Amino acid sequence: GGIITQTPKFLIGQEGQKLTLKCQQNFNHDTMYWYRQDSGKGLRLIYYSITENDLQKGDLSEGYDASREKKSSFSLTVTSAQKNEMAVFLCASSIAQLSNERLFFGHGTKLSVL
Amino acid sequence: QQQVRQSPQSLTVWEGETAILNCSYEDSTFNYFPWYQQFPGEGPALLISIRSVSDKKEDGRFTIFFNKREKKLSLHITDSQPGDSATYFCAARNTNTGKLTFGDGTVLTVKP
Repeated sequence: GGIITQTPKFLIGQEGQKLTLKCQQNFNHDTMYWYRQDSGKGLRLIYYSITENDLQKGDLSEGYDASREKKSSFSLTVTSAQKNEMAVFLCASSIAQLSNERLFFGHGTKLSVL
Repeated sequence: QQQVRQSPQSLTVWEGETAILNCSYEDSTFNYFPWYQQFPGEGPALLISIRSVSDKKEDGRFTIFFNKREKKLSLHITDSQPGDSATYFCAARNTNTGKLTFGDGTVLTVKP
């Protein structure tokens, strides 16, 4: 089995601040994803990457940057945190994009902006 | 326009009852429908899934019923247990892009 590790678990930021969230997986999966989960809402795709150094925009990419420098890690940057923003950011991985039969998720990073 | 809709938003059943969670979709290019289960403080985990060529998929107490013509599916949880209390997400995958679209989830509470 494998695991997805997200750091930090909790992130408190100030309005306008640049914030970086990190994700590591040891499944040796090709594809990695960043999703945003707002309270009472479904998961919305921010960015995904089908291989090392690849980046693809999701539905919610504005206001975010991402980086996939190695196969096992995928980071997400909030370029300018919005006041009172509160959400959980979930990292996931799968074997391949088109045959993503199963996504494996991390436990999430909970973001609060003061 | 939301492409995957779930109902109800929340559902409470007694232990031993059958919980029925509903899902509908708009896009006829969707061909694969996984259901994810999420406990508080954790990420979602795949529970059960169905392809559009099937009309039913069973795994223990969990069964998906799929109606392609009406673009509807439902997750039935028989003999519900308090440990089944969680949020359940229906998702749909686009045949061409592989992209998964999630519904807003149903929060299930099973009372002992």
